[in-house]
Amino acid sequence: DAKTTQPPSMDCAEGRAANLPCNHSTISGNEYVYWYRQIHSQGPQYIIHGLKNNETNEMASLIITEDRKSSTLILPHATLRDTAVYYCIVRGGYNFNKFYFGSGTKLNVKP
Amino acid sequence: SAVISQKPSRDICQRGTSLTIQCQVDSQVTMMFWYRQQPGQSLTLIATANQGSEATYESGFVIDKFPISRPNLTFSTLTVSNMSPEDSSIYLCSAATGTGMTEAFFGQGTRLTVV
Repeated sequence: DAKTTQPPSMDCAEGRAANLPCNHSTISGNEYVYWYRQIHSQGPQYIIHGLKNNETNEMASLIITEDRKSSTLILPHATLRDTAVYYCIVRGGYNFNKFYFGSGTKLNVKP
Repeated sequence: SAVISQKPSRDICQRGTSLTIQCQVDSQVTMMFWYRQQPGQSLTLIATANQGSEATYESGFVIDKFPISRPNLTFSTLTVSNMSPEDSSIYLCSAATGTGMTEAFFGQGTRLTVV
């Protein structure tokens, strides 16, 4: 089941970087870190995932600590449309096909 | 990426009845999943829909209540049986392509209200 810890909510000013932390201290060597977000009344949207190296795509950057026990999702220039619940998910190992969602972080981007 | 369509998008049902939700993917996928999201809560995995065999249910979910079919690599159904108001939730279909560490995609969900 969910093996991550995230703050329940965060605020960010529009145009500034949003840094969303996630703790996954029990992660094992073959487990990946995934990030999804859910905008109100929509299905979850994939953002990014990684194993141990930092990753960047057009949406965000994922920074994973060297010991892999925590990670940070960075939205470089948050907009009002980035207001959503962000979920950090550890996937792999025995249940490598499945995605178990934790409680997530509600990011409020404010003008 | 895969585009997932769910039908119906919402419904209001009488208690004691059943509703079947359809999930159609625009390409063949290896894995399909069904989730429930109760009001104000996170997503809870109900089961993995297996093509040609019985679905694999998570703890707390049983086949008699949530029968699932997956006749091919692009389609699955979830039935919510003998509904009660506690079944009022959003039900979401998800699919993953390929094997290994690939992302999953989600439908927009079916909003079910049981009265």
